[in-house]
This record gives sequence, structure tokens and C-alpha cells, in this order.
Amino acid sequence: LAKTTQPISMDSYEGQEVNITCSHNNIATNDYITWYQQFPSQGPRFIIQGYKTKVTNEVASLFIPADRKSSTLSLPRVSLSDTAVYYCLVGGRGGSQGNLIFGKGTKLSVKP
Amino acid sequence: EAQVTQNPRYLITVTGKKLTVTCSQNMNHEYMSWYRQDPGLGLRQIYYSMNVEVTDKGDVPEGYKVSRKEKRNFPLILESPSPNQTSLYFCASNPTGSPEQYFGPGTRLTVT
Repeated sequence: LAKTTQPISMDSYEGQEVNITCSHNNIATNDYITWYQQFPSQGPRFIIQGYKTKVTNEVASLFIPADRKSSTLSLPRVSLSDTAVYYCLVGGRGGSQGNLIFGKGTKLSVKP
Repeated sequence: EAQVTQNPRYLITVTGKKLTVTCSQNMNHEYMSWYRQDPGLGLRQIYYSMNVEVTDKGDVPEGYKVSRKEKRNFPLILESPSPNQTSLYFCASNPTGSPEQYFGPGTRLTVT
């Protein structure tokens, strides 16, 4: 099973770009990389998913190098409301939910 | 409103007393999962289900049972709860082919 490693915590200031890197050395050929955001006392919320290169949506970008052994979630111009825990998840595409490994997450603190 | 509901939200029980945590989704999703979240350990998958009558073990299935008799419901059963099952539990669902899991509000279980 592909395990993930992320920094335990990161600090940033409002308006800055934040990049959170996730290491997944044992990623399998059919694994996708998915990121979730979690606020205290709430369930996680989907942010973005990708397989290779770059994916962008309205809230974030995901950069995946050619070897796919790591990925970087990029949050542009963070605000105080982006303070949360961010999880990198490696697993089967889309609805294949077997043996998903969430990892311990990165606690992002955004300061004014 | 599309949602995943869990009941109860909070439960305090004693060792050995069987309990069931219900999970229901109104989005007609095929996939459903149960996770537990513990400080410092992140989210860990307990069981998942790909459709009615199809379930499989996740990362930490010991001490838990599930059933999927109807598409919308995926109850988590603790036949003989123990203190090490004190945790925050999340149910999630997603449609086949979609990476986005919808999480419930969580159930905080304390076993004394």
C-alpha cells in the first residue's frame, strides 16, 4: 500500500501562496493523488485530484512530477479561513475506495 | 439537500455493550466508507462498500462489522466495544468514477 508523508505543520500569512508537498514513494501505476481539507469537528472536504503533471481548479493547483513519487498542493493567496488540516491521499481512481491511506495530514495555520 | 447523515453524533457507552452507528446518504452513491480519526494518526479506513451486499476491509477493521443491505445505508456495528475504540468516526460516500467523497458530520464515541 502506498503510504504518504507530509509535513506535520506549516505557517503562512494572509495573501501568500502556500505549497504543501506530499511524498508517496510506493505509488502504484493506477493510483491517483487526492487532497482533502478538514476543519475542526467537521468531515474532510475534497479539494483536488490528479494523476500526472498539473491540475488546476477554482481553489487549488496540484503539481505532480514525472516520477509521481511526490505531489505539491498549491493554494494561491491564502486567507485566515484556509487554516485547516490538509490530507494527501493516494489510491485507486475515482470510486475505487479500497484501502485508502489518508496519512496524518498537514496542519496549516494562516496568520493575519 | 445532498448529504450524509450519521447517528448518533455523540455516544458514551461501556465496554462490551453492543452498539450501532448509522450512516445514510441521499445521493444514490454506490461507494460508502467508514473511517476513524485519532489524534496524531489522521484518518484511517475501517471498512468500505462498493455497492449493496459488497463490503471489504480497510486499514483497521478489527473489532468492527458493517452491512450494506440498502444502497443508502451503511451501519457500523461494534459487537463488543472496548476503550481503544474511543474515537471520532466518519462515514463517507461517493459515486462510481468520482474522486470526491462526501463526509458525514462525525460521531464521537467514548467507551469506558
